[in-house]
Amino acid sequence: EIVMTQSPATLSVSPGERATLSCRASQSVGINLAWYQQKPGQAPRLLVYGASTRATDIPARFSGSGSGTEFTLTISSLQSVDFAVYYCQQYNDWSYTFGGGTKVDIK
Amino acid sequence: QVQLVDSGGGVVQPGRSLRLSCAASGFTFSNYDMQWVRQAPGKGPEWVATIWYDGSQKYYADSVKGRFTISRDNSKKILYLQMNSLRGEDTAVYYCARTRNFFDYWGQGTLVTVSS
Repeated sequence: EIVMTQSPATLSVSPGERATLSCRASQSVGINLAWYQQKPGQAPRLLVYGASTRATDIPARFSGSGSGTEFTLTISSLQSVDFAVYYCQQYNDWSYTFGGGTKVDIK
Repeated sequence: QVQLVDSGGGVVQPGRSLRLSCAASGFTFSNYDMQWVRQAPGKGPEWVATIWYDGSQKYYADSVKGRFTISRDNSKKILYLQMNSLRGEDTAVYYCARTRNFFDYWGQGTLVTVSS
């Protein structure tokens, strides 16, 4: 099974600042990597797929990069609606494993 | 618009069974693979099961293999998850999700609590 490791576990950021979230795979997943945002009491929401392609209606302040085993999600200027938990997920094999999440909270 | 509505959750004793449903609308259901994903309290999501668009192939996480069965009725646009021999560690919110390899639309989730 491919293990996905996210860091940091918690990221404290002020509104308007940049946030950089990391995700590492235990083996190469190519660009078969997605990022999701989850707010309390809600289902995860797809942000990015193919490591760098924004999903429908996702603002341009969200950007994904990376390939192989190292990936990054960047939020260029945090808005109040962006404070949430973010998960990466590999879909290179049938285990579809998720990372443990990064909680972005208000500094 | 794409909509997935999960239902069927509840409180059930260990060893008992439960069937979850996911009603789809707003897209051609029979064209898409579908998933069940669960999330235990305070934890990240965990993939549970996959079914191909035509029901011909099914895949399961090791943690549920032999106990859970995924199925679909394309004429009714409904996805199912039959859960047997439930355990405490199956307690979670269960989501259905539409699949394009990644999971682009999710249901709102239904809570399953396994407790005596």
